[in-house]
Amino acid sequence: NAGVTQTPKFRILKIGQSMTLQCTQDMNHNYMYWYRQDPGMGLKLIYYSVGAGITDKGEVPNGYNVSRSTTEDFPLRLELAAPSQTSVYFCASSESTGANSPLHFGNGTRLTVT
Amino acid sequence: AQSVAQPEDQVNVAEGNPLTVKCTYSVSGNPYLFWYVQYPNRGLQFLLKYITGDNLVKGSYGFEAEFNKSQTSFHLKKPSALVSDSALYFCAVRDGGTGGFKTIFGAGTRLFVKA
Repeated sequence: NAGVTQTPKFRILKIGQSMTLQCTQDMNHNYMYWYRQDPGMGLKLIYYSVGAGITDKGEVPNGYNVSRSTTEDFPLRLELAAPSQTSVYFCASSESTGANSPLHFGNGTRLTVT
Repeated sequence: AQSVAQPEDQVNVAEGNPLTVKCTYSVSGNPYLFWYVQYPNRGLQFLLKYITGDNLVKGSYGFEAEFNKSQTSFHLKKPSALVSDSALYFCAVRDGGTGGFKTIFGAGTRLFVKA
């Protein structure tokens, strides 16, 4: 009963480096999301996907890219890491297009850019 | 545009006392409202939701929330707090009127329950 799994749990990057945050879910959810959490700011939506092959920008997409080749996987790519991207990143999924479906979250990836 | 406000950064309560964590919202259509809890080094966990129907909704771990349309509020409550309830709580909203699935979160309220 894994749910939403994120890897890695922690990562330190130097400015300008790139990396991919991995996210996979085993609940066959069509909708998947990437959020970042900054202290006192709540969660901000970076990108979301309504199904394989379909992605769209959220509130704070600059500096990030995503892909959705399968229902299960939704990786988040940082191309040129900047200190402003230091944050905790959460992947989430939801069951259907219905607005009443709650989000299921992974345990997060803590990223530090120095 | 959707928005959520949690006016208190932190709420302190003694174990056994009732607790309330406040939330107000703004949406153009019908509000779909959620509460989530976050424990240290974990993702958010769903507690309860209001979609339609009774204004008082019950959720996990003995929590409940009261929807008040006139005050655009959705306060989280529990009759008797436990030390283990200490965590970060997030209120969230979706605009059901537009059929939207984007969830907007409040900034969070840290609940501290003292033994």
